[in-house]
Amino acid sequence: NAGVMQNPRHLVRRRGQEARLRCSPMKGHSHVYWYRQLPEEGLKFMVYLQKENIIDESGMPKERFSAEFPKEGPSILRIQQVVRGDSAAYFCASSPWVRETDTQYFGPGTRLTVL
Amino acid sequence: AQKITQTQPGMFVQEKEAVTLDCTYDTSDQSYGLFWYKQPSSGEMIFLIYQGSYDEQNATEGRYSLNFQKARKSANLVISASQLGDSAMYFCAMRESSGGSNYKLTFGKGTLLTVNP
Repeated sequence: NAGVMQNPRHLVRRRGQEARLRCSPMKGHSHVYWYRQLPEEGLKFMVYLQKENIIDESGMPKERFSAEFPKEGPSILRIQQVVRGDSAAYFCASSPWVRETDTQYFGPGTRLTVL
Repeated sequence: AQKITQTQPGMFVQEKEAVTLDCTYDTSDQSYGLFWYKQPSSGEMIFLIYQGSYDEQNATEGRYSLNFQKARKSANLVISASQLGDSAMYFCAMRESSGGSNYKLTFGKGTLLTVNP
């Protein structure tokens, strides 16, 4: 059973470009979460999605950031017009259910560097 | 107030010795889950161990155990017989049940563990 897959692992963008980060959850998992890790910080929740639905995007900046989890294909985190402050590691996690007891399994992360 | 506090930015331990990484949490919920993750230098987040608020026994997973003291709101990770491969950043995290957002993990800032040969 493959784990959570994220690509690319490393992404370099110039200011003003767009960044697209992809996440394929573990097989059988229909709940996807995105977290951001700034340098020397813990992870911070951004958004929670189920297939074709955004359930909670309260942790996501209101401008330039969007996320989707289509019926077919991976979940996408999209950052438009990137700025240097967007440089961070972005982690995707998935779980089969949503209960406080359920473990979220993380992908390897995408490290975004904005030049 | 911080929901998860890890007071040790860095810890050192000799190979084969045990080490305790501290974690205190703040919640008014009765039902919650506590998690520990390991982040090696390669960057991935690896799940280690889970403790539920209603679990009466401390969780154990191989060389990892969780010293859960509910009244003190602490959930310390104990690693026995440390190995060089244990050198990594360790994060404590919590999921609460209130407010309908029982899916959010709240993380501490982490403790960097270095195992010396």
